[in-house]
Amino acid sequence: DQQVKQNSPSLSVQEGRISILNCDYTNSMFDYFLWYKKYPAEGPTFLISISSIKDKNEDGRFTVFLNKSAKHLSLHIVPSQPGDSAVYFCAASALGNQFYFGTGTSLTVIP
Amino acid sequence: DGGITQSPKYLFRKEGQNVTLSCEQNLNHDAMYWYRQDPGQGLRLIYYSQIVNDFQKGDIAEGYSVSREKKESFPLTVTSAQKNPTAFYLCASRYRVGSPLHFGNGTRLTVT
Repeated sequence: DQQVKQNSPSLSVQEGRISILNCDYTNSMFDYFLWYKKYPAEGPTFLISISSIKDKNEDGRFTVFLNKSAKHLSLHIVPSQPGDSAVYFCAASALGNQFYFGTGTSLTVIP
Repeated sequence: DGGITQSPKYLFRKEGQNVTLSCEQNLNHDAMYWYRQDPGQGLRLIYYSQIVNDFQKGDIAEGYSVSREKKESFPLTVTSAQKNPTAFYLCASRYRVGSPLHFGNGTRLTVT
């Protein structure tokens, strides 16, 4: 049973606009959430994380929002750049042991 | 330069043969993980190890085995019992609880 879900397999955004990637989870014990960026035939690269005691974390153009009551997190990329085109995975962990990943959203930023 | 090294990048085997995928890290990370990625699917956890000489099964451990004799190394053996071994295998490590996973660049295994 998928504990972390990314319901949008793909997303296209114009360069300079905002990209919003969404992720839902089912396990209320998750206390640490992460976003990764992945290019084909490479390992995922860590982007940004958030702990369950926060509802927002920013790092440059990337902001992650956490809504615990809705069991939902999102990644905002502003402004979007063509180099952001990749597959984005969200992940969640309880007590830092196992990490559960979503199925990914393929982002295309159109120049 | 610190990082996680997976070798080889591409691996080909005949059905019925066991094969071992290498994963080495020089980050001094305590925990190490093996994931598998299939097309259209997320990363699924095979095994993980939080300390030397100890490891736990993930969601899809059947047909796989691991060892953790050294902190730096966490090899994965894909046995002939694994029904669908062809996949992209990713090794990761974590410094401590509350820190993110860092991944190697993966090994693509093809079994024919």
